[in-house]
Amino acid sequence: AQSVAQPEDQVNVAEGNPLTVKCTYSVSGNPYLFWYVQYPNRGLQFLLKYITGDNLVKGSYGFEAEFNKSQTSFHLKKPSALVSDSALYFCAVRGFQGGKLIFGQGTELSVKP
Amino acid sequence: DTGVSQNPRHKITKRGQNVTFRCDPISEHNRLYWYRQTLGQGPEFLTYFQNEAQLEKSRLLSDRFSAERPKGSFSTLEIQRTEQGDSAMYLCASSLEGVVSEKLFFGSGTQLSVL
Repeated sequence: AQSVAQPEDQVNVAEGNPLTVKCTYSVSGNPYLFWYVQYPNRGLQFLLKYITGDNLVKGSYGFEAEFNKSQTSFHLKKPSALVSDSALYFCAVRGFQGGKLIFGQGTELSVKP
Repeated sequence: DTGVSQNPRHKITKRGQNVTFRCDPISEHNRLYWYRQTLGQGPEFLTYFQNEAQLEKSRLLSDRFSAERPKGSFSTLEIQRTEQGDSAMYLCASSLEGVVSEKLFFGSGTQLSVL
């Protein structure tokens, strides 16, 4: 069975500092990995995905994520955080057969001025 | 692209009543998903369709829940004999599945409160 773990309920970062939101996964075969963001009173929005190829994936709003197969991780990163990045971030995985997307429990990112 | 539309936005009902939610996906999308989200948790998979065929239903979903997607366009999710534990945000998403795994587009959800 596929699963995703986000070990941190909350991440606090000062504006301008780099940020990392952690994600580890478990799936049979090669994974398809995704990051979504949820702003208050807004729907989930796609940030980026890893399917195959380069382990460093670039996405929307300056975010990127690094796929590490040996550590089964897919951490979300941004070199310089903005206050407007404050939101809920969800990592998700699906198996190579396709089908449902399984989400982690989410990490609340708080960026302070 | 008008996005994924869900109706109603909010639903308040009394325990034991039946409720039905509607989802209109992005028009060319062949897959439609239903998820449930409670406060502080990630979206929990309920079921999904490819065109009009329901391909998977979560084992966590009781037989009080049923979903349909007639004609492969809009979908409805019905909950019979609602319980207080059904209170949650119900999310719909759609995608265009092809050779490469595609991203899901989510609606704004229907917030259900069971009193």
